[in-house]
Amino acid sequence: DTGVSQDPRHKITKRGQNVTFRCDPISEHNRLYWYRQTLGQGPEFLTYFQNEAQLEKSRLLSDRFSAERPKGSFSTLEIQRTEQGDSAMYLCASSSTGVNGYTFGSGTRLTVV
Amino acid sequence: GQQVMQIPQYQHVQEGEDFTTYCNSSTTLSNIQWYKQRPGGHPVFLIQLVKSGEVKKQKRLTFQFGEAKKNSSLHITATQTTDVGTYFCAVPGGAQKLVFGQGTRLTINP
Repeated sequence: DTGVSQDPRHKITKRGQNVTFRCDPISEHNRLYWYRQTLGQGPEFLTYFQNEAQLEKSRLLSDRFSAERPKGSFSTLEIQRTEQGDSAMYLCASSSTGVNGYTFGSGTRLTVV
Repeated sequence: GQQVMQIPQYQHVQEGEDFTTYCNSSTTLSNIQWYKQRPGGHPVFLIQLVKSGEVKKQKRLTFQFGEAKKNSSLHITATQTTDVGTYFCAVPGGAQKLVFGQGTRLTINP
């Protein structure tokens, strides 16, 4: 297992378009997180899954954002009707009970033009 | 919600000088984690501190958790160019999520 994989690495989209990102966590990890990071800031929590259940969703996440983790494996984050303010690095991380710390993926950098 | 203040925001040092970043919370923490993010990279987990007054070392890095479990520090002795990056502390924000500090960006003059 090579760690947490995210796809794509970069995405440029026009305002109003929908985008979807994928995250493949470490296979033994049952917890999966999505964070958003803008320049000069720390990662901000978006949502969290334990296995396939979405257990928490940030108030930062508007109705345009949705995340899934079917079968408790990979996860997708969809942003509908993108806005320029959505431009950021979207980071996925995974962890497991008894394991300290998150393992982050390399992120998907979204640019909305 | 849970917040954590991290200072300084930026630190520029000469190679070989020491570096310290501090993390402060208004509430007692169950634990605190530290991450490093290289320029253009993603956060990488360094360590977790759990016990009051705990001190842990990783080579030239020394991590400390305050006696009251409200603050923490990361100290790097004799910085090297490989230490360049942003150092984040992260604290529990409820359930299983972490709340990250704003980070301290370390740059080094070789």
